[in-house]
Amino acid sequence: NAGVTQTPKFRVLKTGQSMTLLCAQDMNHEYMYWYRQDPGMGLRLIHYSVGEGTTAKGEVPDGYNVSRLKKQNFLLGLESAAPSQTSVYFCASSSRGQIYEQYFGPGTRLTVT
Amino acid sequence: ILNVEQSPQSLHVQEGDSTNFTCSFPSSNFYALHWYRWETAKSPEALFVMTLNGDEKKKGRISATLNTKEGYSYLYIKGSQPEDSATYLCAFGDDKIIFGKGTRLHILP
Repeated sequence: NAGVTQTPKFRVLKTGQSMTLLCAQDMNHEYMYWYRQDPGMGLRLIHYSVGEGTTAKGEVPDGYNVSRLKKQNFLLGLESAAPSQTSVYFCASSSRGQIYEQYFGPGTRLTVT
Repeated sequence: ILNVEQSPQSLHVQEGDSTNFTCSFPSSNFYALHWYRWETAKSPEALFVMTLNGDEKKKGRISATLNTKEGYSYLYIKGSQPEDSATYLCAFGDDKIIFGKGTRLHILP
């Protein structure tokens, strides 16, 4: 089992460019999450999904879109990157909801110049 | 908006000493309380998920307690070791799980 994987590991974008981050899990988990981690801010929830075909907004959804077309994949899109989106992005999954632990991917470091 | 507070923000503990820190969360509409351990340059790893008032969980030298009526949880580390140096996160919520900012623990040799 690979667990939770994220692609790419690093990326540098120019302001206005777009990109998609891919999260994949092989544990047949229903729930998947995207977080961003910034110094002094901890982990903040961007979007999450409670099952294939569903998505919902988290704490900081503006500037991001997500899709969950397949149960094992959760995509995070930046349509027009801004320097404020420079961050480390973590994906996580869990079997169900709140009573199950989350498993995290290794993170993607994104820099927007 | 759910608010999860952790204290202290940072803690220095001598190797061999025991320590504890706090997570505070809204006491109404409790769902579950999570604790995670996050080492530098790695990803967060789950320590405990607690759901019942009075829950007490233990993993080796680390244990946690839960008081849902007053809205707090304590994490205890007994006999701190250098490998305990990490950030400890708590998280609370339903489908939308919100994390606290963490307690950064430094173990001094």
